Amino acid sequence: SQTIHQWPATLVQPVGSPLSLECTVEGTSNPNLYWYRQAAGRGLQLLFYSVGIGQISSEVPQNLSASRPQDRQFILSSKKLLLSDSGFYLCAWHRGETEAFFGQGTRLTVV
Amino acid sequence: KQEVTQIPAALSVPEGENLVLNCSFTDSAIYNLQWFRQDPGKGLTSLLLIQSSQREQTSGRLNASLDKSSGRSTLYIAASQPGDSATYLCAALMDSNYQLIWGAGTKLIIKP
Repeated sequence: SQTIHQWPATLVQPVGSPLSLECTVEGTSNPNLYWYRQAAGRGLQLLFYSVGIGQISSEVPQNLSASRPQDRQFILSSKKLLLSDSGFYLCAWHRGETEAFFGQGTRLTVV
Repeated sequence: KQEVTQIPAALSVPEGENLVLNCSFTDSAIYNLQWFRQDPGKGLTSLLLIQSSQREQTSGRLNASLDKSSGRSTLYIAASQPGDSATYLCAALMDSNYQLIWGAGTKLIIKP
């Protein structure tokens, strides 16, 4: 069966520090991968999506970046975190017309 | 550009009531529409997926319908329970680029 792993579950980082959130998918190949951010009390904001290795599309300008070094690995990064980067980050995948599946999320607090 | 809207933004009803959550989309060129549930501080759990060729899907007390021509989907919850309290989101999968377009969600509270 397909599973998606996202870590860490919670993270507290000081302003200006780097960030690396990792997401891996098992049980499928060539999935579409997504990073979303959900601010408190708000809907999902698509940050990045990838249809293949090394193919990253950015939906919003920001100080975040994403990489897909392997088919089933999607990484969200920042060189210097801002207070406004705090939020709940979700990784998701789907393949073709199948259901979308989500990781359990990472609660990031920038202090 | 696809826009997905969910109404109402929040809903509070007594336990036992049947209720309907609405999701509308502006571009009917979708592959499917999916309903999710999100508990506070948690990830999203898929509830029902309706392919573009289907009219409805059922799972237990949940029934989701899809009317592509009118750009609407509804999630019907029968005999609501306090455990149904969560935020419900719908997402449309676009057939042009396989992107998921999301509604902002409906926060549902079921009062015991």
